[in-house]
Amino acid sequence: EAQVTQNPRYLITVTGKKLTVTCSQNMNHEYMSWYRQDPGLGLRQIYYSMNVEVTDKGDVPEGYKVSRKEKRNFPLILESPSPNQTSLYFCASSLLGFENTEAFFGQGTRLTVV
Amino acid sequence: LAKTTQPISMDSYEGQEVNITCSHNNIATNDYITWYQQFPSQGPRFIIQGYKTKVTNEVASLFIPADRKSSTLSLPRVSLSDTAVYYCLVGVTDYKLSFGAGTTVTVRA
Repeated sequence: EAQVTQNPRYLITVTGKKLTVTCSQNMNHEYMSWYRQDPGLGLRQIYYSMNVEVTDKGDVPEGYKVSRKEKRNFPLILESPSPNQTSLYFCASSLLGFENTEAFFGQGTRLTVV
Repeated sequence: LAKTTQPISMDSYEGQEVNITCSHNNIATNDYITWYQQFPSQGPRFIIQGYKTKVTNEVASLFIPADRKSSTLSLPRVSLSDTAVYYCLVGVTDYKLSFGAGTTVTVRA
């Protein structure tokens, strides 16, 4: 089954404690991306990756890091989480950078930073 | 990136057809129109995509007039499980899908 898998689904952490949210896809997609969703602000792109070792900033990259060492994995790293990073996070992948093609989204990670 | 306008919310009853119209007056020649569905606390799910005329799949139909300045997503015979937010997206810029506020469709028994 084609899918994008994120872990964990829920996470409560404290300010400043480094964390990683993993994302893995089994469709051999080149393009992967991270979004955060907040009430009233909709879905906003954090980072994206066009291929292995190629990443770039989205609209709200501050406070986040990503890496793309393998095609299937695209972890999101919060080196020093702050309460304003409390949000619902989604990882997405597609075959051709989302252009004229279907994007697949993970089930989401609800992060709370206290 | 073409700006889209769609209704904030729509109410319907089980068994009815729901039509959501999206306006995109400045759509570019090579832009496709794509619709996603999102349930609470879940990731968006691709529903349908089209370029012109009509596209139909097992879930919905997409009607696009000749001028392509609008499109209509049609959900036949909705059920309670179709209650969700529906997003109309047009084109892609900088490898980014731009989701607006979407249309919240509420289906009542």
